[in-house]
Amino acid sequence: GQQLNQSPQSMFIQEGEDVSMNCTSSSIFNTWLWYKQDPGEGPVLLIALYKAGELTSNGRLTAQFGITRKDSFLNISASIPSDVGIYFCAGRSNDYKLSFGAGTTVTVRA
Amino acid sequence: DARVTQTPRHKVTEMGQEVTMRCQPILGHNTVFWYRQTMMQGLELLAYFRNRAPLDDSGMPKDRFSAEMPDATLATLKIQPSEPRDSAVYFCASGLSGTGIYSNQPQHFGDGTRLSIL
Repeated sequence: GQQLNQSPQSMFIQEGEDVSMNCTSSSIFNTWLWYKQDPGEGPVLLIALYKAGELTSNGRLTAQFGITRKDSFLNISASIPSDVGIYFCAGRSNDYKLSFGAGTTVTVRA
Repeated sequence: DARVTQTPRHKVTEMGQEVTMRCQPILGHNTVFWYRQTMMQGLELLAYFRNRAPLDDSGMPKDRFSAEMPDATLATLKIQPSEPRDSAVYFCASGLSGTGIYSNQPQHFGDGTRLSIL
């Protein structure tokens, strides 16, 4: 699948900060998914979005499906040390295949 | 929680050897994907099955890679002969797809096979 534009590529956080990342695409999708990957493990689903304009929360995570169906963002509020990892966005079309962003690496600022 | 199971977790072998990676999808899921992850290319789709039938393997080098689903509980990805450039982490994912967008559930990933070809 096509590569989505995910930004930022990396970020440093301090505990308690809010974190934001987003994905954009030149194509429309009917589903947006956000995954988190820890070292040595596979991506784990965080949030799934199925409808343009949808805003969904999962604990401290909030994600939105852009109204144009070409973008999505993920917010993490009041970050904690275990939030470090690589976050991937993925867009899905009718063929059920996923197109992935390159990932946002979140690390703790020393 | 149900999980996708992949074996082996790690594989180191010499170039030219055959490599077989296995995946047990989540029970009841009807779609299975094979992805390859590298630093340079990120997550790349290699092959995709629905109801055990291959739907898309355009991302897979045909001359050396093959993917099959002998039954609904097992998917395999084989490389023969293997080359150093095949070194990567290979992920299997499964999901449940059906009619209508709300019946299409998200894909869930296994923990991958980390492959090193010397």
